[in-house]
Amino acid sequence: RKEVEQDPGPFNVPEGATVAFNCTYSNSASQSFFWYRQDCRKEPKLLMSVYSSGNEDGRFTAQLNRASQYISLLIRDSKLSDSATYLCVVKKTPHSGGSNYKLTFGKGTLLTVNP
Amino acid sequence: ETGVTQTPRHLVMGMTNKKSLKCEQHLGHNAMYWYKQSAKKPLELMFVYSLEERVENNSVPSRFSPECPNSSHLFLHLHTLQPEDSALYLCASSQVGVGEQYFGPGTRLTVT
Repeated sequence: RKEVEQDPGPFNVPEGATVAFNCTYSNSASQSFFWYRQDCRKEPKLLMSVYSSGNEDGRFTAQLNRASQYISLLIRDSKLSDSATYLCVVKKTPHSGGSNYKLTFGKGTLLTVNP
Repeated sequence: ETGVTQTPRHLVMGMTNKKSLKCEQHLGHNAMYWYKQSAKKPLELMFVYSLEERVENNSVPSRFSPECPNSSHLFLHLHTLQPEDSALYLCASSQVGVGEQYFGPGTRLTVT
C-alpha cells in the first residue's frame, strides 16, 4: 500500500461547483496532515493544515479521520483560480526519534475549474 | 529578497558534465531539503539537512552530492547524470520539527 494515496483525478468542474478530494495514508504513526497546492510549473505551497476536529478556511474545509486513516479537502463555490494540483501531505516522526520530521507527499489530484 | 530562491531555473546538461544547483533561504529556518519531482510521480525526498547536518539520505545515487555550508545555503552537486534524472528539483526549508515547508521555484533539469 502506498504511504499516501489520493484520488487519481483529474477533476473538471464548472465555476461554483463543490469538489471533494480524498486521501488515505498507511502509517498509523503519522502525526500531522496538510494540503498543499501546486500550480502548473510552480512550486508547492501550503494551503492548510488538517486538524483532528476538522477546520475551515473560507471556502476550504479539511477533515481528518484517524481511525480510517483518511483525510479530505472540500472546496465550495469553486473559482477559476482554484485550478491547480492538490497534494495530500503527511508528517511522521522518524523511527530514531528526534526532530527530523519527514513529509510524505501524495501524487496529487489535478483540478480544473471551467468558466 | 524573500523566501526560498533557486538557481539556475533551467539547466540542460550532458551525461558527462558536472554542475551544481544552488538554494538560498531568507526565512531564518534551520532545516533544508532537496526533493525530486518527476512527471506523474509524487515528490521524492532526496536529502534533509537539520541544523546544517545531513540527517537523511533516501538511498539517492552517489552522482547526487549535497552540500550545506550554513543554514541559509544548500547545494546539489551533479555529475555523470543519466537521462532518467531529468526532473524538477525543488529545495525547501522549514524550522526543525515544524510541518510547514516553504519551497523554492525549482530547477528544471534536462539530461541529454
